Amino acid sequence: GAVVSQHPSRVICKSGTSVKIECRSLDFQATTMFWYRQFPKQSLMLMATSNEGSKATYEQGVEKDKFLINHASLTLSTLTVTSAHPEDSSFYICSARAVSGRAGNEQFFGPGTRLTVL
Amino acid sequence: GEDVEQSLFLSVREGDSSVINCTYTDSSSTYLYWYKQEPGAGLQLLTYIFSNMDMKQDQRLTVLLNKKDKHLSLRIADTQTGDSAIYFCAEMKTGGGNKLTFGTGTQLKVEL
Repeated sequence: GAVVSQHPSRVICKSGTSVKIECRSLDFQATTMFWYRQFPKQSLMLMATSNEGSKATYEQGVEKDKFLINHASLTLSTLTVTSAHPEDSSFYICSARAVSGRAGNEQFFGPGTRLTVL
Repeated sequence: GEDVEQSLFLSVREGDSSVINCTYTDSSSTYLYWYKQEPGAGLQLLTYIFSNMDMKQDQRLTVLLNKKDKHLSLRIADTQTGDSAIYFCAEMKTGGGNKLTFGTGTQLKVEL
């Protein structure tokens, strides 16, 4: 099956610093990648849709200047949390959709990155 | 997650069947999915159903879709302790740019 990796799996940083999270599709090309945020015991909330070579589309209420998304290649998207604050602490999950998607346009999910801002 | 709702918790005994329910509001949904999330991990796709289907069976998993009532269910036969996890249903809407809207999640606990 298609594999999506995220790096780092866990990060702790000081308030005010920036943190970059990478999402890679390891064995397929992804035209579209999605970034989600999940608070404890809650569902996944879509933050933005990232298309290779173009600007990301952000969901309502998500600050694009705070959550910078870059999708420079068909196998890599990055999410940078700028000037992180404790309220940004969360579980961030990416997913990738293959260029030639299977029935259902399946999204393959990464294992997630746990961000803790002190 | 406001558009897709699930009951929060389900407890079953090992060997019994589990039925996890989901209700959604958008009748234009094209595909409906069931995902499994274990603690601290990402999501694993279990199965999906196209909106013009009523039922889909895949080994121990059976998905039932009632489009009229906008109700989706996942039945797990012979539930095992390894099935303990949080289960999310999700819908993909027509013209939605392949975005998924996730349900609130159901925590399944399997007891011996």
